Amino acid sequence: KAGVTQTPRYLIKTRGQQVTLSCSPISGHRSVSWYQQTPGQGLQFLFEYFSETQRNKGNFPGRFSGRQFSNSRSEMNVSTLELGDSALYLCASNLAGVFTDTQYFGPGTRLTVL
Amino acid sequence: AQKVTQAQTEISVVEKEDVTLDCVYETRDTTYYLFWYKQPPSGELVFLIRRNSFDEQNEISGRYSWNFQKSTSSFNFTITASQVVDSAVYFCALSKIQIQGAQKLVFGQGTRLTINP
Repeated sequence: KAGVTQTPRYLIKTRGQQVTLSCSPISGHRSVSWYQQTPGQGLQFLFEYFSETQRNKGNFPGRFSGRQFSNSRSEMNVSTLELGDSALYLCASNLAGVFTDTQYFGPGTRLTVL
Repeated sequence: AQKVTQAQTEISVVEKEDVTLDCVYETRDTTYYLFWYKQPPSGELVFLIRRNSFDEQNEISGRYSWNFQKSTSSFNFTITASQVVDSAVYFCALSKIQIQGAQKLVFGQGTRLTINP
């Protein structure tokens, strides 16, 4: 079974631009979560989508948004990029059955903001 | 609030040595999961193990073993006879267990493990 895939793997943007990252979950997984990893703050939860609805949200400004499609694929958007948005953005998927379960991660998208 | 602390920022050992990575957690939830993930230089977080709060049995998988002690809120990870391929950053994480559960992992800061030949 294929793992979680993320595109693109690398991105370079300039301040003020916007960016969209894409995530395809493991086949059959219905929940997708996004995390930001930086050297200073570590791994931080951004949000989670299940059945095309945001089910959980971390403590990030409104410039960070996401959505999920009917095939469970998810996109994350960051508008008005700031230098501090440079990070590795990781997507994770899980089955989302009745209970909380294990999240499996993709390879990440490394975003550099100049 | 939930919190995970990995006090060891970096560990460096010589190949074949045993090494233990410490993880201490804080939570007010009575049911929760604890996880360990490995992050090699490629960046992907690789799932290693999940334990739930009501099962304190230690677990061994090959050279890896995990010691979960609820009394001390610790979930330590030991690699026996370490190998160069074990070099990576290791993360301990915590998640509340919920019905129709929203997913949110709280991670520790990670321990960078270097195994020298």
